[in-house]
Amino acid sequence: DTGVSQDPRHKITKRGQNVTFRCDPISEHNRLYWYRQTLGQGPEFLTYFQNEAQLEKSRLLSDRFSAERPKGSFSTLEIQRTEQGDSAMYLCASKRGSTDTQYFGPGTRLTVL
Amino acid sequence: GEDVEQSLFLSVREGDSSVINCTYTDSSSTYLYWYKQEPGAGLQLLTYIFSNMDMKQDQRLTVLLNKKDKHLSLRIADTQTGDSAIYFCAEPTSVGTYKYIFGTGTRLKVLA
Repeated sequence: DTGVSQDPRHKITKRGQNVTFRCDPISEHNRLYWYRQTLGQGPEFLTYFQNEAQLEKSRLLSDRFSAERPKGSFSTLEIQRTEQGDSAMYLCASKRGSTDTQYFGPGTRLTVL
Repeated sequence: GEDVEQSLFLSVREGDSSVINCTYTDSSSTYLYWYKQEPGAGLQLLTYIFSNMDMKQDQRLTVLLNKKDKHLSLRIADTQTGDSAIYFCAEPTSVGTYKYIFGTGTRLKVLA
């Protein structure tokens, strides 16, 4: 499968714990996005990488959130001190060129108890 | 800022046509997209239309674009039960990172 992959697919955690998600983009895609989707809503942009550089962060990305893409390939999204409001589907997407189509992974569903 | 709006629900009978509508705000978008999301899954690209086109047909899918009214529609011919899902239209921002602005999604229910 040469599509975008995400791990884990599901994560259940207790409030206050830290969690980390991973995204592996399509191999030749140097642009990578993270989105968050809450129940009944469309996905909302969180952050964007071009190669290893994080070029844009949404105001949705509070100080408890951090994203990295250290070698310009896979990316991680960490949430520290999780809150119940962080429960959502976290989607990763990648693309090759600036105006190209984004291809989405299957998402990581986070449930904070 | 950019905003994308969709109606929330649509119910059709199997074999009928479905039409899902979307309005957007950024008239300089180069492409507009339709994605499908099944329960618990990620987003599957269905189709897209270039902004200088009025219509695009792809098998059972027809996309119509009215740039003057900033209105986009997706028609699914001969709707099947497997088409039951949430459909999102998406508009990329025209500058910067080209992140997508999504509508709230239209939940399509196909009745057998």
